[in-house]
Amino acid sequence: QKEVEQDPGPLSVPEGAIVSLNCTYSNSAFQYFMWYRQYSRKGPELLMYTYSSGNKEDGRFTAQVDKSSKYISLFIRDSQPSDSATYLCAMKIQGAQKLVFGQGTRLTINP
Amino acid sequence: DTAVSQTPKYLVTQMGNDKSIKCEQNLGHDTMYWYKQDSKKFLKIMFSYNNKELIINETVPNRFSPKSPDKAHLNLHINSLELGDSAVYFCASRGEGFGYGYTFGSGTRLTVV
Repeated sequence: QKEVEQDPGPLSVPEGAIVSLNCTYSNSAFQYFMWYRQYSRKGPELLMYTYSSGNKEDGRFTAQVDKSSKYISLFIRDSQPSDSATYLCAMKIQGAQKLVFGQGTRLTINP
Repeated sequence: DTAVSQTPKYLVTQMGNDKSIKCEQNLGHDTMYWYKQDSKKFLKIMFSYNNKELIINETVPNRFSPKSPDKAHLNLHINSLELGDSAVYFCASRGEGFGYGYTFGSGTRLTVV
């Protein structure tokens, strides 16, 4: 079993829809949670990060962490075609150097 | 100015060859990484260096050898390339402090034929 599980999709939604992307994890020591966006043929870029449990909002993006359920989510409101990309969740233990990634969900927003 | 730059972007080579990928970051970060992304988009850490010192060495075949001449550079040399080495290799760097996400390069797409 992988430490971080993420449905690879693909996920296709119409423009303007609310998108929900999720990851589950097994290691309760994870404290830092991140979402990366990766466009085709590009490197991942950091989109959101949260520490421990709770919500964080940045424009159209909201990240949620539920440590009791070992479940994290990324919500995209008013989705745009430019949001079409692969979204990867990533997690880190405090003091550790490495990020552990989910497999990534490929998202397409249709105009 | 590119923050983390990798060369080459594409590399096609035959089985058994030796090849190198170079990475440079101009962010002043202390820690650099090599990640491998397979065909299913799964990113897995290979190595990490902090200020030229190796701190992470995952279960990677010893045909892969990283080298960090200074904290701004981390190169990856691969000996005796195999078909299974075909993947996209990403270099990344990270600054110190909470919430400092990794900055990734644009990747080197390696194809072994």
